[in-house]
Amino acid sequence: TQLLEQSPQFLSIQEGENLTVYCNSSSVFSSLQWYRQEPGEGPVLLVTVVTGGEVKKLKRLTFQFGDARKDSSLHITAAQPGDTGLYLCAGAQGAQKLVFGQGTRLTINP
Amino acid sequence: GAVVSQHPSRVICKSGTSVKIECRSLDFQATTMFWYRQFPKQSLMLMATSNEGSKATYEQGVEKDKFLINHASLTLSTLTVTSAHPEDSSFYICSATWEQETQYFGPGTRLLVL
Repeated sequence: TQLLEQSPQFLSIQEGENLTVYCNSSSVFSSLQWYRQEPGEGPVLLVTVVTGGEVKKLKRLTFQFGDARKDSSLHITAAQPGDTGLYLCAGAQGAQKLVFGQGTRLTINP
Repeated sequence: GAVVSQHPSRVICKSGTSVKIECRSLDFQATTMFWYRQFPKQSLMLMATSNEGSKATYEQGVEKDKFLINHASLTLSTLTVTSAHPEDSSFYICSATWEQETQYFGPGTRLLVL
């Protein structure tokens, strides 16, 4: 079973600060997705990265896929209270199945 | 993005009863649907993969006789938790996909077994 180690699991910072969440594995994934989940709701897709070394930007969020396609990072610039939530990385293995990381519970304090 | 719905959004039942959860893809035909379980403060764990018209494939440790999955059409999959017990209380989430494209997740169903 391929595992995804996500860190940190909890992060509480002040509004305006920058942060990075990491997602690491010893296995290679065909693609990797980042999701955000609000309490009591299903995950919402933020981005999919496919190519090793790929970098995608979504406003203040920057996603990077490692060259070897084993790891990924999510960087948030100038965090805002609205960024608070559970962030999940998920690696695609084989035919569509996703393996999820443990999640990072992010709290941005005003 | 595509829309996936789940019904009910939350359900409370007595121990020993069965509960059915529906997952529908509203604006696309889903060749594959997935069922996940999420315990409080934990990540999503895949329970089973369901392809339309065929038997579901269960992950290791998931009892197929307890969690019955039916995928009778390209827009509907159901998960029935049979003889539910308090330890089955969890957040159940489905996702749907078409031809190995992106998985779109439903809003989840919170099950509480008393």
